[in-house]
Amino acid sequence: DGGITQSPKYLFRKEGQNVTLSCEQNLNHDAMYWYRQDPGQGLRLIYYSQIVNDFQKGDIAEGYSVSREKKESFPLTVTSAQKNPTAFYLCASSFDHLTYGYTFGSGTRLTVV
Amino acid sequence: LAKTTQPISMDSYEGQEVNITCSHNNIATNDYITWYQQFPSQGPRFIIQGYKTKVTNEVASLFIPADRKSSTLSLPRVSLSDTAVYYCLVGDNTDKLIFGTGTRLQVFP
Repeated sequence: DGGITQSPKYLFRKEGQNVTLSCEQNLNHDAMYWYRQDPGQGLRLIYYSQIVNDFQKGDIAEGYSVSREKKESFPLTVTSAQKNPTAFYLCASSFDHLTYGYTFGSGTRLTVV
Repeated sequence: LAKTTQPISMDSYEGQEVNITCSHNNIATNDYITWYQQFPSQGPRFIIQGYKTKVTNEVASLFIPADRKSSTLSLPRVSLSDTAVYYCLVGDNTDKLIFGTGTRLQVFP
């Protein structure tokens, strides 16, 4: 089954700690994306990557970092610099960044305690 | 920078047809219009995509007028399980990908 997998589903972090969210896809998609969703709100783009070893900032990149060393993987690190990290994080992929639609993962809910 | 505008919420009853309109005045020539459905604590799911006129699949229809500055998602005969948030997505020529505000559809028995 082709798809996109996010792990873990739930994550708790202490203030001041960095944490990395995993996103893996076996769809052979070139483009991958990270979105953040707050309760009752829409999706906001954090970072996206069109090809391996290249990525661009989205609208709310501050306090986050990403890497794209492999086509299949696009991990997101939430750093201690992110002032309000508690949110639902969604990873997505597409064949290329201008051809929709996207395939989304099931999300990771991050809670800072 | 393309942006979209949708109604914040809509109510309907089972069996009715629901039409959700998205405004995208700055849509670029090569952009497609795509709609997604999202249930709580899940990732959005692709519903339908179109460029112009009308597109229909087993789930919904998408109507796009000639000027492409808006689009309407039509859900025939909704059921309780169609209660969700619906997002309109269009591309733009600065390579940033923007979701609409989303429309929260509540279907009542």
